[in-house]
Amino acid sequence: NAGVTQTPKFRILKIGQSMTLQCTQDMNHNYMYWYRQDPGMGLKLIYYSVGAGITDKGEVPNGYNVSRSTTEDFPLRLELAAPSQTSVYFCASSGDRGRALYGYTFGSGTRLTVV
Amino acid sequence: AQSVTQLDSHVSVSEGTPVLLRCNYSSSYSPSLFWYVQHPNKGLQLLLKYTSAATLVKGINGFEAEFKKSETSFHLTKPSAHMSDAAEYFCALMGTDSWGKLQFGAGTQVVVTP
Repeated sequence: NAGVTQTPKFRILKIGQSMTLQCTQDMNHNYMYWYRQDPGMGLKLIYYSVGAGITDKGEVPNGYNVSRSTTEDFPLRLELAAPSQTSVYFCASSGDRGRALYGYTFGSGTRLTVV
Repeated sequence: AQSVTQLDSHVSVSEGTPVLLRCNYSSSYSPSLFWYVQHPNKGLQLLLKYTSAATLVKGINGFEAEFKKSETSFHLTKPSAHMSDAAEYFCALMGTDSWGKLQFGAGTQVVVTP
């Protein structure tokens, strides 16, 4: 099925470890986004990309890095994991801004716990 | 600066009664506004959107919302709640830059009782 695929679904990390959250979409969307969701806080934008090779910081980028080498893939890298990064992470995609007005397609999320 | 405020963190309704979820926004420009729903352990699904056309917007599953510029509100309603409406609901605002970024409210948890 067409959509946004996130892996893994669950992960437990120890403090100081690193990991990459994978996100792939097969809709040829240019715009991709990473959000984190914390209870009572809604979703906060971490990073976004408007096309291969183009990324920019969102509201809460500290402790994260991204890359966008292809249209399909938008991985999120956590370096030196901290307990404050315990969260549910969502990847989303949309077409250009005109199509973004039709709404995002969200992945099913990655639940990350840092202990 | 723009912002989205969901006025209720939790709403409890009885099955068959109306649902009202309140959302206020702040924006220097006429925004695009969205309601998303999230069922437990799932991603977010678009319910409806306002993009400067009709101020009364109809969405999926019987939901609708009315954009009121004078009140800076975009409240979500449904005439008759169903058990399957139990979920978390997010109001979101898209700014006027070119990149389609969404700013989300804190969410409203809806509980439906039999």
